[in-house]
Amino acid sequence: AQTVTQSQPEMSVQEAETVTLSCTYDTSESDYYLFWYKQPPSRQMILVIRQEAYKQQNATENRFSVNFQKAAKSFSLKISDSQLGDAAMYFCALWGGSEKLVFGKGTKLTVNP
Amino acid sequence: EADIYQTPRYLVIGTGKKITLECSQTMGHDKMYWYQQDPGMELHLIHYSYGVNSTEKGDLSSESTVSRIRTEHFPLTLESARPSHTSQYLCASATSGTYNEQFFGPGTRLTVL
Repeated sequence: AQTVTQSQPEMSVQEAETVTLSCTYDTSESDYYLFWYKQPPSRQMILVIRQEAYKQQNATENRFSVNFQKAAKSFSLKISDSQLGDAAMYFCALWGGSEKLVFGKGTKLTVNP
Repeated sequence: EADIYQTPRYLVIGTGKKITLECSQTMGHDKMYWYQQDPGMELHLIHYSYGVNSTEKGDLSSESTVSRIRTEHFPLTLESARPSHTSQYLCASATSGTYNEQFFGPGTRLTVL
């Protein structure tokens, strides 16, 4: 069975600071993908960043980057220069060869002005 | 701009009513999904489809049913709504490519009185 664990139900950060959201996962697949999704309050869920497991290089999208530790099965999201618009629920997700994504329970990020 | 649409966005109905939540996508995706999500909580997969005439039950037992007669359309029906069905329902679609990056609709927030 594949699992995704987000151990931080809530996090907060000051505007312009950096915050890291944690995610660990478990899968027996050798080929898999990991995702971070963002769900702003009352708005649509969107993909923030994607990481292919076979790539050693950590994915980066503007202010968002990941720290992918394959051996430790860890996939954390770093948000640099946090902005008020980054406030949202963040979901870590795993695709491991099935037709379904496995989601974590989410981390609620608050950005303080 | 999102290419996956859900109607209605908000629905308040009385117990015992039959309802259909609509989901359409214009991306030509084969895979479509329905999730149930209470506010600020995790996503629970309730139905998915590999393509036309394919429907599968998800991880969370649901009294709803789905159909997939056209690629772009994946409606969800509740024959007799109950207060326990009060929740947000998210529709998503994905390509049949190597990985399962899902694109989400804006959601339908259902309240059953």
